[in-house]
Amino acid sequence: QVQLVESGGGVVQPGGSLRLSCAASGFTFSSYGMHWVRQAPGKGLEWVAFIRYDGSNKYYADSVKGRFTISRDNSKNTLYLQMNSLRAEDTAVYYCAKDANYGDYLIDPWGQGTLVTVSS
Amino acid sequence: QSALTQPRSVSGSPGQSVTISCTGTSSDVGGYNYVSWYQQHPGKAPKLMIYDVSKRPSGVPDRFSGSKSGNTASLTISGLQAEDEADYYCCSYAGSYSWVFGGGTKLTVL
Repeated sequence: QVQLVESGGGVVQPGGSLRLSCAASGFTFSSYGMHWVRQAPGKGLEWVAFIRYDGSNKYYADSVKGRFTISRDNSKNTLYLQMNSLRAEDTAVYYCAKDANYGDYLIDPWGQGTLVTVSS
Repeated sequence: QSALTQPRSVSGSPGQSVTISCTGTSSDVGGYNYVSWYQQHPGKAPKLMIYDVSKRPSGVPDRFSGSKSGNTASLTISGLQAEDEADYYCCSYAGSYSWVFGGGTKLTVL
């Protein structure tokens, strides 16, 4: 079955950088678009970024545009999120998620998430 | 990209029905039939319960149903069970490969 395993979270100072990874298995990674979605502590979900199956197009929420970069390596079945100029408000659990097999514009399933804490 | 509006909390007794609303705009909920609902238990990843406004993925009980009218989507849970107690989030496609979530609703089973 589909497995999505995020890694790379941790504590970083404001203004710093961090790169998250998401290792995918159980499906043909190169055939599906992929998302990053985040959840601040005690808060709701926020869509962050989407990349098409072949990496040809990338889309971002306004809150991260110009600071975050989504990318993928289809030869390694891995999704990435490069986060620069981090702010306290970027503190959140970051989930990697797949474009669903069924339905359109549907995010499913999700990984278990990795926690990013931006603090001095 | 403003968040969709959901009630912060709802509650019901076992066996009862509850409905959670999700209000957006004509640019998201009202403009597309791509509304989905997720259930999230504490410390867990979100689980898809409804997609395309009213479709249920395999394995989701038929106690869960979805609908939409204008800019407002709704999730109804009938025959409430203790394990339904969780946070629920709506999500809508908002065009140009962007998505917007609701603020979340905490369901308490009394």
